[in-house]
Amino acid sequence: DGGITQSPKYLFRKEGQNVTLSCEQNLNHDAMYWYRQDPGQGLRLIYYSQIVNDFQKGDIAEGYSVSREKKESFPLTVTSAQKNPTAFYLCASSMLWGTYYEQYFGPGTRLTVT
Amino acid sequence: DAKTTQPPSMDCAEGRAANLPCNHSTISGNEYVYWYRQIHSQGPQYIIHGLKNNETNEMASLIITEDRKSSTLILPHATLRDTAVYYCIVRVPSGTYKYIFGTGTRLKVLA
Repeated sequence: DGGITQSPKYLFRKEGQNVTLSCEQNLNHDAMYWYRQDPGQGLRLIYYSQIVNDFQKGDIAEGYSVSREKKESFPLTVTSAQKNPTAFYLCASSMLWGTYYEQYFGPGTRLTVT
Repeated sequence: DAKTTQPPSMDCAEGRAANLPCNHSTISGNEYVYWYRQIHSQGPQYIIHGLKNNETNEMASLIITEDRKSSTLILPHATLRDTAVYYCIVRVPSGTYKYIFGTGTRLKVLA
């Protein structure tokens, strides 16, 4: 089945530790995205990438880093510099050609930092 | 950046039509309107999109006003499983591919 995989579903870390969230897609999409969602809030864009080895900051990139070494993979690292890392993290992907740009979302990773 | 405005919450009786409005007054001529929904603790799910004509698929109908400054998502026969947060999104017209998610409308379908 084609889709987006995020792992793990739940992640627990101690404050001060970096943590990497995995996102893999087999949809052959060029663009990939990371969003953060806090309780009762909408989605906020962290980073996005349109092509391998290139990515752009979203609205809340501080304290996060990403890489895009392969088309299928777009891991997100939550660094110790992120002041409030506990949140629900969503990865998405989309095509770039055509006119629709529908985004497909993964199931999300819920990160808890204590 | 084009932004959207939606009511924070709505209730709908099961079996009735749910009409969810969205304002997008700064939408540009070549931007599409997309609707997604998010059931609790899951990733958002695509519902429908449109440019200027009304659209219908197996999930919903989308009505876009002639001036394109607002739209309405219609779930014709709402069920309890339609209880979710519904997001109206327009594509940012800057040559990038960012989506801007507003706060959405929390739809509760009542038995």
